[in-house]
Amino acid sequence: DTGVSQDPRHKITKRGQNVTFRCDPISEHNRLYWYRQTLGQGPEFLTYFQNEAQLEKSRLLSDRFSAERPKGSFSTLEIQRTEQGDSAMYLCASSLWDRGGTEAFFGQGTRLTVV
Amino acid sequence: EDKVVQSPLSLVVHEGDTVTLNCSYEVTNFRSLLWYKQEKKAPTFLFMLTSSGIEKKSGRLSSILDKKELSSILNITATQTGDSAIYLCAVQTGTASKLTFGTGTRLQVTL
Repeated sequence: DTGVSQDPRHKITKRGQNVTFRCDPISEHNRLYWYRQTLGQGPEFLTYFQNEAQLEKSRLLSDRFSAERPKGSFSTLEIQRTEQGDSAMYLCASSLWDRGGTEAFFGQGTRLTVV
Repeated sequence: EDKVVQSPLSLVVHEGDTVTLNCSYEVTNFRSLLWYKQEKKAPTFLFMLTSSGIEKKSGRLSSILDKKELSSILNITATQTGDSAIYLCAVQTGTASKLTFGTGTRLQVTL
């Protein structure tokens, strides 16, 4: 399978714990995006990388959230001191950036439940 | 703030019907408009429409971008139960090419 893969698919954690998610993009894609989706809503942009550089962060991304893409390949999203409001589907997408706009392909997502 | 609005929010049709889903947007620095199909998991890419490609078709699905009206439609003809899903419209903006999504249209196709 050469698509975007995310791990784990599901995560249940207690409030206050830290969690980390991983995303492996399509290999030749230089851009990687993180989105969050809650029930009944479309995905919301969190942050994105071009190669290893994190170029933009949404104001939705509080200081408890951090994302890395150390070698310009896979990325991790860490949430510290989780809160019940963090419960959502976390989606990763990748694309091969082009000035005219380019398709972004999504992974299967990590569903986080904070209890 | 960029905004994407989809209508209707939900739709129930009989197999064989034709449906039209709507998407309107107010954004700065438009690059493209994308349609995705979401079943239980991740959004699956359907179409990308840009200023140079305002109409796309694939099988029973087709989509048109109206840049003057800042809107797009997604048509599905001869619907099948397998078309049941949430259809998401997203607009790609700026150098980040990040996506702003609508809330989606939930389509249910019944026998």
